[in-house]
Amino acid sequence: GAGVSQTPSNKVTEKGKYVELRCDPISGHTALYWYRQSLGQGPEFLIYFQGTGAADDSGLPNDRFFAVRPEGSVSTLKIQRTERGDSAVYLCASSLTSGTYNEQFFGPGTRLTVL
Amino acid sequence: AQSVAQPEDQVNVAEGNPLTVKCTYSVSGNPYLFWYVQYPNRGLQFLLKYITGDNLVKGSYGFEAEFNKSQTSFHLKKPSALVSDSALYFCAVRDTKSARQLTFGSGTQLTVLP
Repeated sequence: GAGVSQTPSNKVTEKGKYVELRCDPISGHTALYWYRQSLGQGPEFLIYFQGTGAADDSGLPNDRFFAVRPEGSVSTLKIQRTERGDSAVYLCASSLTSGTYNEQFFGPGTRLTVL
Repeated sequence: AQSVAQPEDQVNVAEGNPLTVKCTYSVSGNPYLFWYVQYPNRGLQFLLKYITGDNLVKGSYGFEAEFNKSQTSFHLKKPSALVSDSALYFCAVRDTKSARQLTFGSGTQLTVLP
């Protein structure tokens, strides 16, 4: 079946602009996660949703970052007033539930470059 | 708090030889442990997980991992490496007491030489 999809695959923007990154999880998966992977590092947690609500947003670096999942499926990560330090690959993952034993399935990521 | 360490940035092994990629972890509760592999310009692919039970876990593509509670380690192994195994490998942990998110190590680049 279809895996996790993310669009766009690449996004180049200018410092100060607003961007939206989209994630479409595996059908039927109730838990959705966003991670950020900088060059040479492992993914770092940003936020996770159980259904429509953000159950844990402790990884968001500041209030320029926001994410929504209004219908419990597709999620959008929103970054306001982008900075060069926001450049990274943004990964989305989903799992059947948020149970700790469930593996997460990752999308291919969106590579964000802020000039 | 939970953390993962992958002490080797790079591991080189000859094709046909056994390989080991090391991982140690720290959690306050019991750990759930995972290995993922990342190929260039691709997302992370799940390899295997340890939840409970047998300390030797078997996963995809002939990989296995051994959970050692006393050494807080979860090393990834394969008896006979293939050139196609060359990729970036990440170990990850979840703390059963509190965390829903995964904490990843910094990754180990595995190169299998023909």
